[in-house]
Amino acid sequence: QKEVEQDPGPLSVPEGAIVSLNCTYSNSAFQYFMWYRQYSRKGPELLMYTYSSGNKEDGRFTAQVDKSSKYISLFIRDSQPSDSATYLCAMEGSGGSNYKLTFGKGTLLTVNP
Amino acid sequence: GAVVSQHPSWVICKSGTSVKIECRSLDFQATTMFWYRQFPKQSLMLMATSNEGSKATYEQGVEKDKFLINHASLTLSTLTVTSAHPEDSSFYICSAGGISGKGTDTQYFGPGTRLTVL
Repeated sequence: QKEVEQDPGPLSVPEGAIVSLNCTYSNSAFQYFMWYRQYSRKGPELLMYTYSSGNKEDGRFTAQVDKSSKYISLFIRDSQPSDSATYLCAMEGSGGSNYKLTFGKGTLLTVNP
Repeated sequence: GAVVSQHPSWVICKSGTSVKIECRSLDFQATTMFWYRQFPKQSLMLMATSNEGSKATYEQGVEKDKFLINHASLTLSTLTVTSAHPEDSSFYICSAGGISGKGTDTQYFGPGTRLTVL
């Protein structure tokens, strides 16, 4: 079993839809959880960073962490064509002391106008 | 805050030549930098981790004599692909570990370098 599992999709939704992206993990040492967005032929961009169970909201994006279930989610409200990208979940267990992340494989999202 | 640049963004070279890619943290100091490789439609593959002033730690299967990494300062790391061959053609991305202006302490990625070896 891989440490981080993420459905690679592809996921295609109409503009305005609510998108739900998910990752599960097996390593209970993970304490910090991130979502990165990667456009084609670009480097990943940090979207959300959380370290406790619960929800964190930033504009149209909500990151949800459930440590008891080892499950994290990213919700995108009112999705836009500009949200079309690959979304990578990432996790870290050491609190930033060595910055090493474990990534999911990424989910390719297409938002159709 | 937490901007990482890479140069060049795109390079084409002949087989057998060496190519150097620079990675800079522009507005923060990075004690740790990472180099990744990414093939089309695949996820990031960590190649090596470098700490300022120390030798890089390479992931299993990555040839350290082929991919030379130097991290001479807290804002600059370089990756040199020596004697490049067509199979080295890929998208190389660096990242730097540091704290953003918002206080978020994690990896921040550069825009990537597309290497094509003819």
